[in-house]
Amino acid sequence: EDQVTQSPEALRLQEGESSSLNCSYTVSGLRGLFWYRQDPGKGPEFLFTLYSAGEEKEKERLKATLTKKESFLHITAPKPEDSATYLCAVRASGSRLTFGEGTQLTVNP
Amino acid sequence: DGGITQSPKYLFRKEGQNVTLSCEQNLNHDAMYWYRQDPGQGLRLIYYSQIVNDFQKGDIAEGYSVSREKKESFPLTVTSAQKNPTAFYLCASSTSTDYEQYFGPGTRLTVT
Repeated sequence: EDQVTQSPEALRLQEGESSSLNCSYTVSGLRGLFWYRQDPGKGPEFLFTLYSAGEEKEKERLKATLTKKESFLHITAPKPEDSATYLCAVRASGSRLTFGEGTQLTVNP
Repeated sequence: DGGITQSPKYLFRKEGQNVTLSCEQNLNHDAMYWYRQDPGQGLRLIYYSQIVNDFQKGDIAEGYSVSREKKESFPLTVTSAQKNPTAFYLCASSTSTDYEQYFGPGTRLTVT
């Protein structure tokens, strides 16, 4: 059974204080690891897909990296508008994704 | 603009009534999905469909039903058999190549 564990559950940062969110996974044959951002009361917004260990992708202040057991979402010099819940998901086979429970990020001004 | 629409945004029903949630996409995606999200939790898969006229149960299908008569539409019915229907329901779609799922805005269902 595919499993995804995200840590920490919640993270509070000061504006400009860089940090990382972790996504650990157990899956038979990873075919994609996905990061999403979700604002309160809204649908998740797609951020990145990573396919193989060593791969990195960047978007503005966010950088996602992937190893054989985990993925990190690095947030550099965050701003209050980066506050959201960040969700990680994996795909092993077929079209379905398995999601983690998310990390709730709060960035204080 | 291409995207996924869900309606209504808020829905209120009395216990014992069936209710249907709408999901429409104009992204020309083959696959569509329904998830349930409870407070402070991740997404749990209810049903998904990879092609028209075919769908599969997800992890929590009991008390729900779906249909996929058109590529653009994937309605979800929450039946009276669903014991805890109050939740935030999310619809998504993806291509059959990269499987990146794109989500609608969600429907918040409250059953009293």
